[in-house]
Formats: sequence, C-alpha cells, structure tokens
Amino acid sequence: GDSVTQTEGLVTLTEGLPVMLNCTYQTIYSNPFLFWYVQHLNESPRLLLKSFTDNKRTEHQGFHATLHKSSSSFHLQKSSAQLSDSALYYCALSEGAGGYKVVFGSGTRLLVSP
Amino acid sequence: GGIITQTPKFLIGQEGQKLTLKCQQNFNHDTMYWYRQDSGKGLRLIYYSITENDLQKGDLSEGYDASREKKSSFSLTVTSAQKNEMAVFLCASSILGGIQDTQYFGPGTRLLVL
Repeated sequence: GDSVTQTEGLVTLTEGLPVMLNCTYQTIYSNPFLFWYVQHLNESPRLLLKSFTDNKRTEHQGFHATLHKSSSSFHLQKSSAQLSDSALYYCALSEGAGGYKVVFGSGTRLLVSP
Repeated sequence: GGIITQTPKFLIGQEGQKLTLKCQQNFNHDTMYWYRQDSGKGLRLIYYSITENDLQKGDLSEGYDASREKKSSFSLTVTSAQKNEMAVFLCASSILGGIQDTQYFGPGTRLLVL
C-alpha cells in the first residue's frame, strides 16, 4: 500500500538557520496529493500546505515545498527558523483511487532554540 | 468556520473495559475520521465514514468499533481496553473526503488504561 517516510524523530535547530524536513512517499497512483500538517504543543494538527502539481513550489506562512514526482519527494523548507516553528510536522499522502484515505508519516518534531 | 469537539478530554479506564469516545462537528462535512496518535508512529487511521450510517475500516480497526448515527457525530468504542495502554485519539472531518480535501482535527481524547 501507500506509505510516507519522514526525517526520523527530532530535528534541533538554532533560530535563524534554514529548516529542511524530508518527506518521501510511495504510491501506485500517478497523481497523488501531498500535504504538510503542523501540530503545536497542546494543539491539534492543522494544514500547513498542500500540492498536486509536479515541480511547482507551494508556499504558506514562510514555509515552502515542491512536489517532485521523479524522486517521490515533498520536502518542507523555510529559509530562517523561528522559535514559534517548534512543533510536530506530518507529511501526508492522499490515496488516488476514491480519495477519502490519507496516509500520514510518523512525524518529525522540530525544536528551535535561541 | 466550524469546530470539532471531542468528549471526554481525558479518559481513564480499567483493563478489559469498553470505552466510548465521541466526536461532533458543525462544519457540515460529509466525511469523518478517527485516528490514533502514538509518539513516533504518526497518525494511524482506525475508522472513517463518508456519510451518515457509513463505516469503513482503516489500518488499525481491530479492537475498535465505530458508529455514525448522524452527519455531525462519529463515535469510537474501544471494545476491550488493554492494560497500560496510553494514546491520543483524534477525530477529523473533511468536506467530502476527496483527494484534495483538507482534514480538520479535533482537540483529542487522551486515554490511559490502568
């Protein structure tokens, strides 16, 4: 079945440094929809950004990601980390046939320190 | 806008007990989901429902039952609580459940089994 693989565990960064959280996926469908959800402490996950278009950069709230079907990747990036970016980030894949089901990766916790 | 409410916020049970978690949404969304969130394992789908009285099993459905009595509510039952089990159960909804649809999450129910 479909699967999503993310940077494992915890990523720690100093404020001001660039952020890159890796996400790769496996699916038999040629037109997947990829999502990044963010979950801050004591909150529920919420959508950060999503994309369907190959090689097109998608941006939201300072973060950006580009879907590359050739490498099955959808890495999340930000040029300069802020303390408020500390959160759990999930990459997710929407199954092509019939929709409905979304497969989530195991999550990457980002901790930004001063 | 809308909101998803989950009750109870915290649930402490005994081994072998049947426990019920409830979810309500006022988005008027068609599709609703139950996920289990465990540290390092991401969000795993337990059940989903694409309309009132519909139920579809996710990858983690064993040990759980679900009920969608009306469009706005979706219940999850742990059929026999396992000793020392500790997890967060998240309810979510999306407008139709289509491939591109964003999922909106509730605040979660935290389960602890003694």
